[in-house]
Amino acid sequence: DTGVSQNPRHKITKRGQNVTFRCDPISEHNRLYWYRQTLGQGPEFLTYFQNEAQLEKSRLLSDRFSAERPKGSFSTLEIQRTEQGDSAMYLCASRGWDTEAFFGQGTRLTVV
Amino acid sequence: DQQVKQNSPSLSVQEGRISILNCDYTNSMFDYFLWYKKYPAEGPTFLISISSIKDKNEDGRFTVFLNKSAKHLSLHIVPSQPGDSAVYFCAASLSGTYKYIFGTGTRLKVLA
Repeated sequence: DTGVSQNPRHKITKRGQNVTFRCDPISEHNRLYWYRQTLGQGPEFLTYFQNEAQLEKSRLLSDRFSAERPKGSFSTLEIQRTEQGDSAMYLCASRGWDTEAFFGQGTRLTVV
Repeated sequence: DQQVKQNSPSLSVQEGRISILNCDYTNSMFDYFLWYKKYPAEGPTFLISISSIKDKNEDGRFTVFLNKSAKHLSLHIVPSQPGDSAVYFCAASLSGTYKYIFGTGTRLKVLA
């Protein structure tokens, strides 16, 4: 069990560019979450997948954000037309039916 | 609307003494509570949890207390060790939902 893996660890992008992050959950976990954390705040829920189905999306997830989990395995989070306010740590977590959520190390996005 | 609040941004404690981290919540429907610990450049890691049917849960040096009438929970660490220095997040969830709602965190520093 290698834990939850997120790539890249850091991403610097120019405003207006699109970015995509990847999350590889713990293999037997069917539940996957994306959270966003900004300085001085706790993680804020963005979206939740159960297997390949996206069951909940936060209103924080504007139409510039899209997440997928094809085949219920890895997940991607794409941000289109990035804005400076998108700068944050993006955290992925996975969870089994009888476990708590295990978080990855996160992807730190800086929009310049 | 901050449903989970950690009003102390930081706490310093001498090694060997007790650390008490506090958390308040506003939604009386929350029925499951967790504490996560976060070191710099790492994702949050699960520490301990408690269901609303209990008022105490203990795991080694860590004990979580829940006071439902006051909508308050606390994490006690005894004895505190320098390796406990981290940011601690309180989180809450509702049955039938999938997400955790996190507080803003308390930075604990244990002084050797």
